[in-house]
Amino acid sequence: DAKTTQPPSMDCAEGRAANLPCNHSTISGNEYVYWYRQIHSQGPQYIIHGLKNNETNEMASLIITEDRKSSTLILPHATLRDTAVYYCIVSRATNKLIFGTGTLLAVQP
Amino acid sequence: DTAVSQTPKYLVTQMGNDKSIKCEQNLGHDTMYWYKQDSKKFLKIMFSYNNKELIINETVPNRFSPKSPDKAHLNLHINSLELGDSAVYFCASSRHEPGLASDEQYFGPGTRLTVT
Repeated sequence: DAKTTQPPSMDCAEGRAANLPCNHSTISGNEYVYWYRQIHSQGPQYIIHGLKNNETNEMASLIITEDRKSSTLILPHATLRDTAVYYCIVSRATNKLIFGTGTLLAVQP
Repeated sequence: DTAVSQTPKYLVTQMGNDKSIKCEQNLGHDTMYWYKQDSKKFLKIMFSYNNKELIINETVPNRFSPKSPDKAHLNLHINSLELGDSAVYFCASSRHEPGLASDEQYFGPGTRLTVT
């Protein structure tokens, strides 16, 4: 499965949009982009996933570039409860999730 | 109702002991997993079961033995516990048969195992 590269940490002001980037330049055509997050001391939580098209759900939006080599997770109005480690994972199937080090998003009041 | 539950939440034990961690999901999912998160926060898959059958075993020592009595339960038994087994263990489940569809995994709250 393709590797991903994420910044180790980011800050975001409460109420503003949080844009978390992910590079996956070696992604292949049948691999999905998944985003999970892990709030301190809790189990990971699924956020969103996509293949080619942009996706939106009640939690976030996922923007995938046309060449699929990178993506951005957007939390439209970040709250303090969104402070967590965010993992971008590229995989052909849901059972082969390989978690990297992720991005620690700190939402500031 | 909790979707994926684990017991116990905390487990402190001595080296050499044998212990079990239980996991149950009430989502009707076909596939269940065990993950280990070490002190450096790396989260790694250990096992995956689909309909009570082992699908993935990621080179885990044979001291670790998963047991699936039915598709709603996946327990983890650990023999001869070592200091390096100290970690947080997460159970998870997903709907579809592995590899056939994209779908999300639902994680339990974790079991913090401390071996002294």
